[in-house]
Amino acid sequence: DSGVTQTPKHLITATGQRVTLRCSPRSGDLSVYWYQQSLDQGLQFLIQYYNGEERAKGNILERFSAQQFPDLHSELNLSSLELGDSALYFCASSAPPNTGELFFGEGSRLTVL
Amino acid sequence: DQQVKQNSPSLSVQEGRISILNCDYTNSMFDYFLWYKKYPAEGPTFLISISSIKDKNEDGRFTVFLNKSAKHLSLHIVPSQPGDSAVYFCAASDSNYQLIWGAGTKLIIKP
Repeated sequence: DSGVTQTPKHLITATGQRVTLRCSPRSGDLSVYWYQQSLDQGLQFLIQYYNGEERAKGNILERFSAQQFPDLHSELNLSSLELGDSALYFCASSAPPNTGELFFGEGSRLTVL
Repeated sequence: DQQVKQNSPSLSVQEGRISILNCDYTNSMFDYFLWYKKYPAEGPTFLISISSIKDKNEDGRFTVFLNKSAKHLSLHIVPSQPGDSAVYFCAASDSNYQLIWGAGTKLIIKP
């Protein structure tokens, strides 16, 4: 158990819809990262938050947005969903000093039909 | 532009033998390298890391070697065990602590 909690574990929705994925980081971790893993692909970095502020942005589509709340949990919002958005979405957290060791949640599997 | 490459999508090794997973990178400014292990339907878990100022780091059955001149690192697992069957990701960290990930290598340990 990494200490990072993601909900929901599975989500099935239709094209054009909007979903919200939630992540609770490990206790005390200030950084939250979101990653996307499509079928048989590597991990694609989407976005990082540190203590409520956006720290870094990766290959995140404009249809996607995220935020980190004062209690440090984070939400990833995916809108106008397309079939290609079907993927595993991972959240990870880390504590400073950050040498790159991230603690990942079990992921949220999104299926867009 | 893939800054971190794992050129072998999969690797099959006999139980008890050595598994060697390879990773190449292009950015000489990377200062920290990590290996993560991922089982199906689970998130990646940190395995071992190495700073760019070292050329070897060992943790039990796992050893990571770094060759900076060749911009190459490798993960050695010896002896390989069935529970080692997983996808292994190589990642590199820059001065901003952003991780750049390889595409992963699926390791299969045959009994």
